[in-house]
Amino acid sequence: EVQLLESGGGLVQPGGSLRLSCAASGFTFSSYVMNWVRQAPGKGLEWVSAISASGASTYYADSAKGRFTISRDNSQNTVSLQMNSLRVEDTALYYCAYGNGYWGQGTLVTVSS
Amino acid sequence: DIQMTQSPSTLSASVGDRVTITCRASQNISDWLAWYQQKPGKAPNLLIYKASGLESGVPSRFSGSGSGTEFTLTISSLQPDDFATYYCRQYSSYASTFGQGTKLEIK
Repeated sequence: EVQLLESGGGLVQPGGSLRLSCAASGFTFSSYVMNWVRQAPGKGLEWVSAISASGASTYYADSAKGRFTISRDNSQNTVSLQMNSLRVEDTALYYCAYGNGYWGQGTLVTVSS
Repeated sequence: DIQMTQSPSTLSASVGDRVTITCRASQNISDWLAWYQQKPGKAPNLLIYKASGLESGVPSRFSGSGSGTEFTLTISSLQPDDFATYYCRQYSSYASTFGQGTKLEIK
């Protein structure tokens, strides 16, 4: 059974940093592109970042470029999102996802003073 | 970046109605399009992949069509469980994008 378990969310002040992690199991992790998708309270889905199966290539939404860094550890079946210079508008539920149909339950990031 | 324009943003309908949601891509994405259903407090649930492929376990009243830049999701006969929010998503490149969502409400 595929499982994606996000962690690392929490309350942080504007300008602060947070590192999200996603532990994957139930599939051949090293073969798949991994994504982070977020959803602000009461809003729609926004793709944030992706990383290739090998980790050699990374991709970001304009809203994340220069502030967020995605990485993966194929030996540990984990993908991470380092978020720096956080803004109030980064407040959202952050989902880890792969393929089209596999999503975690999300971890909540709240940026507030 | 590829922009996805989804319409309508809200749709009021009754049980048994046939409804259609449209998604338009800002450039040709072939058939690299998925449709999701999301209910409050839950992760999105995949309905359709590759524009018209029905995900396993999804009722056959859901169907998708289109290619290039114009896509539709059709629910042939609305059931009470179908009232939710629907999103399209293009995945023609690693930089994926979602439509703004369509909230399907009970009339």
